[in-house]
Amino acid sequence: KAGVTQTPRYLIKTRGQQVTLSCSPISGHRSVSWYQQTPGQGLQFLFEYFSETQRNKGNFPGRFSGRQFSNSRSEMNVSTLELGDSALYLCASSLETGIPPLHFGNGTRLTVT
Amino acid sequence: DAKTTQPPSMDCAEGRAANLPCNHSTISGNEYVYWYRQIHSQGPQYIIHGLKNNETNEMASLIITEDRKSSTLILPHATLRDTAVYYCIVRVARGSQGNLIFGKGTKLSVKP
Repeated sequence: KAGVTQTPRYLIKTRGQQVTLSCSPISGHRSVSWYQQTPGQGLQFLFEYFSETQRNKGNFPGRFSGRQFSNSRSEMNVSTLELGDSALYLCASSLETGIPPLHFGNGTRLTVT
Repeated sequence: DAKTTQPPSMDCAEGRAANLPCNHSTISGNEYVYWYRQIHSQGPQYIIHGLKNNETNEMASLIITEDRKSSTLILPHATLRDTAVYYCIVRVARGSQGNLIFGKGTKLSVKP
C-alpha cells in the first residue's frame, strides 16, 4: 500500500508570494492533518480535516488555510509568505479523525527568501 | 494530554539493544503511550503503542511499568539505520490529532 505522498518535495518562494502544498493520504484513510516543523518550535499542529470538513485548527494566523477534497486528498495554502514560514510542512493521515496512529509523509521543505 | 520527559540524547553500539526511556508520571487511565521516530529529512514514523500491557511488533518492544508512569522502547538489535529522533507521546485513543504533542524527543545515535 502506498504511503502518504506530498508534493512538491522542495519549494523556494519569495516574501509576499503564496504557496499551495498537496497531500495524498494512504488509500482508505479519511483524516488528514498538517504540521509545521521548525528547528526552534519542533512539530506544531496546523489543522485537521475529515470528510472535507476542518475538524480542528492550531494556533496559526489566517494566512494558513487548507481544504480536503472528496477523494480525501488535501491541500494547504499559505498566503503573503514571511521569512518565518520557512519550514518542513508535514501531512499525516489516519483511518478516521481522532484515531491514531498517524502516518506521515516526508514533507515539503519550504524556503522563503 | 499528559506530558512526557525523555533524555535529549543516547548512544548505542550497532547490534546491541537500544533502550529508550520515557517518563509520563501524570498519565491518565485512558491515555495510551505512542512512540514515533524521525529519521533526518523524513516524516515521523509510527513505531508502536500500548495502554497497560507490554507490546511487541516487528520494529520494537514497548515495556510499560505497572503504575504506567514510565515506559521503555526497546530496539532489540540496533542498526545504523535506527539513528533518529525518538518521540514518546501519551494521548487518549480518540480525540483530535491536534493534541498530538511531540516534544523534543531523544536523539539516538547508533555507532559502528
